[in-house]
Amino acid sequence: SYVVTQPPSVSVAPGQSASITCGGNNIGSERVHWYQQKPGQAPVLVVFDRVGRPSGIPERLSGSKSGNTATLTISRVEAGDEADYYCQVWDGDSDHPVVFGGGTKLTVL
Amino acid sequence: QVQLVQSGAEVKKTGASVKVSCKASGYILSSYGISWVRQAPGQGLEWMGWIGPYNGYTKYAQNLQGRVTMTADTSTSTAYMELRSLRSDDSAVYYCARAALDVGTFDHWGQGTLVTVSS
Repeated sequence: SYVVTQPPSVSVAPGQSASITCGGNNIGSERVHWYQQKPGQAPVLVVFDRVGRPSGIPERLSGSKSGNTATLTISRVEAGDEADYYCQVWDGDSDHPVVFGGGTKLTVL
Repeated sequence: QVQLVQSGAEVKKTGASVKVSCKASGYILSSYGISWVRQAPGQGLEWMGWIGPYNGYTKYAQNLQGRVTMTADTSTSTAYMELRSLRSDDSAVYYCARAALDVGTFDHWGQGTLVTVSS
């Protein structure tokens, strides 16, 4: 089945930008969504596909994708952004249509 | 507002079955799919499968085929996930999530149900 790779951790200082990548074969052609999970809580959808955000999610979070890499970018990082972030690839025609990346721990220094 | 409320924690013996419920409110259950995702302690998210809107079509992860069954009762707006022949590595928090199956997003999640399997 489709394999998706994320870096285990990313660190960033407050006010800077953080980029969390999600690698997969030709992932730029797939639907990619991003979830934030804080300790002891359920995941929250923060970005769907390239540019969609559910209501209540700040514009500081955005997604992009090209080739074999999808990226979640968090601008002007705040302490409250510290969490695990998961990418999720959707291929509705596949026998295994949902694949999650292994997750990236974002640490705000 | 949309809410998914799951049943409480379970402790099961190896080889037993568990059935977790997920009660939806704030929307019509049959208008969206329900997906189930689990998370072992300290691990990432694992998709288990979904039950589709309207006709109850199901699709399961290949590694769980034969052990998992997902159902939905539209009269009570409740979805269920049953996992059989439990093993120790099935110990995890199990989440239900509302699924938009045209684009594959899970936009609302239940609070999670901890299932502990021991011998």
